Amino acid sequence: GNSVTQMEGPVTLSEEAFLTINCTYTATGYPSLFWYVQYPGEGLQLLLKATKADDKGSNKGFEATYRKETTSFHLEKGSVQVSDSAVYFCALTVSGNTGKLIFGQGTTLQVKP
Amino acid sequence: DGGITQSPKYLFRKEGQNVTLSCEQNLNHDAMYWYRQDPGQGLRLIYYSQIVNDFQKGDIAEGYSVSREKKESFPLTVTSAQKNPTAFYLCASSFTGTKDGYTFGSGTRLTVV
Repeated sequence: GNSVTQMEGPVTLSEEAFLTINCTYTATGYPSLFWYVQYPGEGLQLLLKATKADDKGSNKGFEATYRKETTSFHLEKGSVQVSDSAVYFCALTVSGNTGKLIFGQGTTLQVKP
Repeated sequence: DGGITQSPKYLFRKEGQNVTLSCEQNLNHDAMYWYRQDPGQGLRLIYYSQIVNDFQKGDIAEGYSVSREKKESFPLTVTSAQKNPTAFYLCASSFTGTKDGYTFGSGTRLTVV
C-alpha cells in the first residue's frame, strides 16, 4: 500500500542551524509529494511540492528534492529561524487515486534563539 | 479571495450533546475532508466526500456524521456516541483526481466540559 514515514521529533535546533527532516515513502504508481507546515493553533499550509522524479520544490528558504531511487523527499533549510518552529507534515498522492493525500505523522521543529 | 472557512474557532460542548462544526469553501473544489488531530499526534481521517450527496467513512468515522448537500459545504456533527470528542478538527478541500494537494481551514478546537 501507500505510506509515508517521517523522522520522529521533536527536532530542536539553535537559530541559524541547518535543518533536515527526513521523509521516505512507499507508493504504487507515480506519486506527487508535498510538505505542509502547521503553526501552533492553526491549520496546515502547503509549503512546497514536487510532481515528478528529480523535481525540486522550494519556498521560504525550504527545499526538498523528489528522489525516486531512494523513495525520499527530505526537507532542508540552510538557516532556521525561531519563526520556523512548527509541525511539518510530509504527504503523497498517487496517480489514479481520488486525489486523496496520505500523510506522515508529522515532525515537530523547535528553534531556540 | 478564495478559501476555506471553519467556524467556530473554539467550541465547548456538554457531555451527551451533539454539536455541528461548519466548513465552507469557495474554491470550487469537488472533494472535502474532515480530520481529527489530538495533541502531539498526526492527522486521522474521519469522513470525506468527492461529490455532492455522497461521502465515505475514513479511518475513525464512529461517533461522527456528515452531509454534503451543497458543493461548498461539508458540516461535521460530533454525536454523543463519540467517546472522546475533545480534539482539534481540520477541514480540507481539493480538486478530485489531481495532484494539487489540499487547502486546509484554520481548524475548530472542540472541548467537552
